[in-house]
Amino acid sequence: GENVEQHPSTLSVQEGDSAVIKCTYSDSASNYFPWYKQELGKGPQLIIDIRSNVGEKKDQRIAVTLNKTAKHFSLHITETQPEDSAVYFCAPDLNDYKLSFGAGTTVTVRA
Amino acid sequence: NAGVMQNPRHLVRRRGQEARLRCSPMKGHSHVYWYRQLPEEGLKFMVYLQKENIIDESGMPKERFSAEFPKEGPSILRIQQVVRGDSAAYFCASSPPFGTGERSNQPQHFGDGTRLSIL
Repeated sequence: GENVEQHPSTLSVQEGDSAVIKCTYSDSASNYFPWYKQELGKGPQLIIDIRSNVGEKKDQRIAVTLNKTAKHFSLHITETQPEDSAVYFCAPDLNDYKLSFGAGTTVTVRA
Repeated sequence: NAGVMQNPRHLVRRRGQEARLRCSPMKGHSHVYWYRQLPEEGLKFMVYLQKENIIDESGMPKERFSAEFPKEGPSILRIQQVVRGDSAAYFCASSPPFGTGERSNQPQHFGDGTRLSIL
C-alpha cells in the first residue's frame, strides 16, 4: 500500500506569513494529489488538487507544487489568516478512487 | 446545492448493539466512499460503492461491517455487535459519475461525519 508522510506535524506561523507543508508518498503510480482542510468537528474540505501532468497549481492564496520524480508534493499558503488555522491532510491516490491520507499537519496562525 | 449529508452526527451504542450510519451524496453524484478516522489520525479508506454495487470493500473489516447504496435512498454503513474499538468518526464522501473514456479520480467531497461512541 501507499506510505504517506507529512511534515511538519505541527506548524505555528504569524498572521501574514507563509506556511508550507510537504507530503511524501511511496507509490509511483499515484496520479492525483489533493489537499484537504479539516476544522474541529467538521469533515475534510477539498481546498486544492493537482494531477500528475501538471507541476504547479494556484488558487488565490493557496498553491500546490508536485515533484513526481522525487515523489513529494507541497501545500503553500501565503498571507496566512486566523481562519487558516486547521488540520491539513494530503491524500494521494492509491488507484483511480482510493485516497491514502497522511497523518495531518496542525496549523496555528497567531494573530 | 446541498453538500454530502450524514446522519446522525453523533451516535452512542452499547457493546453488542447495531449501529447504522447514513449518507446522502451530493446531488448528481453516484459514487460513494466511506472512511474511518481515529483521534489524531488521518482517514482510512473502507469501501467504495456505486448505485446497487460494491466496487471495492478492501478496507472493511471482514466481520460485522457491511455497506450498501440502494437504487433509492441513502448509502448505509452498518456495524453489527459493536465493540469499543469501533469508536471513531466515520466519514462519507461522494463524487460525480465518470464520463465515457474519462479518467477516474473525480474530486471527493466529504460530509461532516458521524461520531460513534461505544459504551
